Amino acid sequence: DIQMTQSPSSLSASVGDRVTITCRASQSISNYLNWYQKKPGKAPKVLIYAASTLQGGGPSRFSGSGSGTDFTLTISSLQPEDFATYYCQQNYNPPHTFGGGTRVEIQ
Amino acid sequence: EVQLVESGGGLVQPGGSLRLSCAASGFTYSTYWMTWVRQAPGKGLEWVANIKEDGSEKNYVDSVKGRFTISRDNAENSLYLQMNSLRAEDTAVYYCAREGLYVGVDTSYHFYYYMDVWGKGTTVTVSS
Repeated sequence: DIQMTQSPSSLSASVGDRVTITCRASQSISNYLNWYQKKPGKAPKVLIYAASTLQGGGPSRFSGSGSGTDFTLTISSLQPEDFATYYCQQNYNPPHTFGGGTRVEIQ
Repeated sequence: EVQLVESGGGLVQPGGSLRLSCAASGFTYSTYWMTWVRQAPGKGLEWVANIKEDGSEKNYVDSVKGRFTISRDNAENSLYLQMNSLRAEDTAVYYCAREGLYVGVDTSYHFYYYMDVWGKGTTVTVSS
């Protein structure tokens, strides 16, 4: 199975900060990589698919990049509603594993 | 309105069984892959299983193989997860999700799947 490793596991940031989260796959997954946002008590929400395509209606402050084994999710200017946990997920081969998550907290 | 609604969760003893259901509405259910994802208390998301549009292909995470069975009824717009031989570590909120598809084209076609519609989840607790 493909292992997905995210870093950091948590971070503290302020409103307006630029935030970068990284995700590494244990083997090449081309660009078959999705990013999700998860808030407590809510269902996850897809932000980015195919590594860099913004989900329709998603805020443009979110962007994704990478290919092969290394990927990043960037929030250009953190907003109050962005405090949540973010997960990467590969859909290159089943099982479509998630990373361990990155919790973004208010500084 | 596009919607997924899970049901069937509850408290079950270790070794017991439970069947989760997911009712789909607002879209052509039979044309989508469907997936179950779970989140144990205080833990991250875990992909559990998925099933092809016509039910002809199913995939599972190793930890549930041989114990869980995913199935679907396209006439009833429903997805199921039969869970047998339940363990304490199966305790989680279980979500069903629709797999959206994006087709990228360069020198060939590339099919990118992502979970674009989610239910609110149903809670399964395995405890004596």
